[in-house]
Amino acid sequence: GAVVSQHPSRVICKSGTSVKIECRSLDFQATTMFWYRQFPKKSLMLMATSNEGSKATYEQGVEKDKFLINHASLTLSTLTVTSAHPEDSSFYICSARGTLLGQPQHFGDGTRLSIL
Amino acid sequence: AQTVTQSQPEMSVQEAETVTLSCTYDTSESDYYLFWYKQPPSRQMILVIRQEAYKQQNATENRFSVNFQKAAKSFSLKISDSQLGDAAMYFCAYRSWSYGGSQGNLIFGKGTKLSVKP
Repeated sequence: GAVVSQHPSRVICKSGTSVKIECRSLDFQATTMFWYRQFPKKSLMLMATSNEGSKATYEQGVEKDKFLINHASLTLSTLTVTSAHPEDSSFYICSARGTLLGQPQHFGDGTRLSIL
Repeated sequence: AQTVTQSQPEMSVQEAETVTLSCTYDTSESDYYLFWYKQPPSRQMILVIRQEAYKQQNATENRFSVNFQKAAKSFSLKISDSQLGDAAMYFCAYRSWSYGGSQGNLIFGKGTKLSVKP
């Protein structure tokens, strides 16, 4: 089945550091990738949608300068949390969808980000 | 805007028994997809089952089946012969038929935490 690889799975870093998270579709071309944030015991909150070769569409309340998204190819999207602060600590999950109508989204395994 | 409601924050079932998780949704669209995802403690999102709204037949996947009531906008998940490995958060999700951009995004309910007692 379709596989989405998300890396790293766990990041611990100091406040002020920028952190990059990668999301790769391994066996299909992902025209659209989604980035979610999940707080403990809560549902997934969509942060942004990225389409290959174009600017990401951010959901209301998500700072585009804080959360930089790049979708440079059909198999790779990156989320960079710039100048991270403790309140950015969370679980971030990407998902990818292929070109065929009706294809389900496939999720990465998530990244647990902890800012000290 | 579409919404998904899961009214049961937590459910419990005895191993080998059957449990039903509820989900209702609101939409003005006539064509759409519905999904159930499972998120175990590892936090990986696992697709359990999907249903296309135009299909009248309820989807089934081994021990998992749905009761899709389009008029009532209800999409419940039934787990038969519950196993310890079924313990997880279960999310009901809606997706528009439209494919472009964020319209193809999944809209999630708040989730139901399922515990399985041995």
